[in-house]
Amino acid sequence: DTGVSQDPRHKITKRGQNVTFRCDPISEHNRLYWYRQTLGQGPEFLTYFQNEAQLEKSRLLSDRFSAERPKGSFSTLEIQRTEQGDSAMYLCASSLYGTDEQYFGPGTRLTVT
Amino acid sequence: AQSVTQPDIHITVSEGASLELRCNYSYGATPYLFWYVQSPGQGLQLLLKYFSGDTLVQGIKGFEAEFKRSQSSFNLRKPSVHWSDAAEYFCAGMNYGGSQGNLIFGKGTKLSVKP
Repeated sequence: DTGVSQDPRHKITKRGQNVTFRCDPISEHNRLYWYRQTLGQGPEFLTYFQNEAQLEKSRLLSDRFSAERPKGSFSTLEIQRTEQGDSAMYLCASSLYGTDEQYFGPGTRLTVT
Repeated sequence: AQSVTQPDIHITVSEGASLELRCNYSYGATPYLFWYVQSPGQGLQLLLKYFSGDTLVQGIKGFEAEFKRSQSSFNLRKPSVHWSDAAEYFCAGMNYGGSQGNLIFGKGTKLSVKP
């Protein structure tokens, strides 16, 4: 399977704990996006990378959130001191520079208890 | 501000009937517009896109959409719905305010198909 993969698919954590998600984009794609989707809503943009550079961050991305893409391949999204309001589906997408089609992974569903 | 609106939260159609899902956009210039489908446990799958040119675009799975500038709409259509089309559908526009074109999504329309 050469699509976008995300790990884990599900994560249950207690409030106050830190969590980290991983995204592996399609191999030749140099752009990588993170979105968050809550129940009954469409995905909302969080942040974007081109190669290893984080070029844009949404105001939704509070100081407790950090994302990295150290070698321009996979990316991680960390949430520190999780809150119940962080419960959502976290989606990763990738695209190839020069195209506008984003390909999405299956998402990581986070539940904060 | 750029926005995408899907007026219908939930639509039910009978199998074999035609389908139209509505999408309205608010953009200053000609937007890049997309329709995605999301099935339970699956990632978002791109159905079709509009950038410029012919205002009627064909997509996968027998879907098409028509861009109407005068109505600020980009409605998704299918002439005959199959039970496997039951899913949630999202309209999205590309954000030109950001530097690299992240997507702005509508809230989605859930499609149910009656046998």
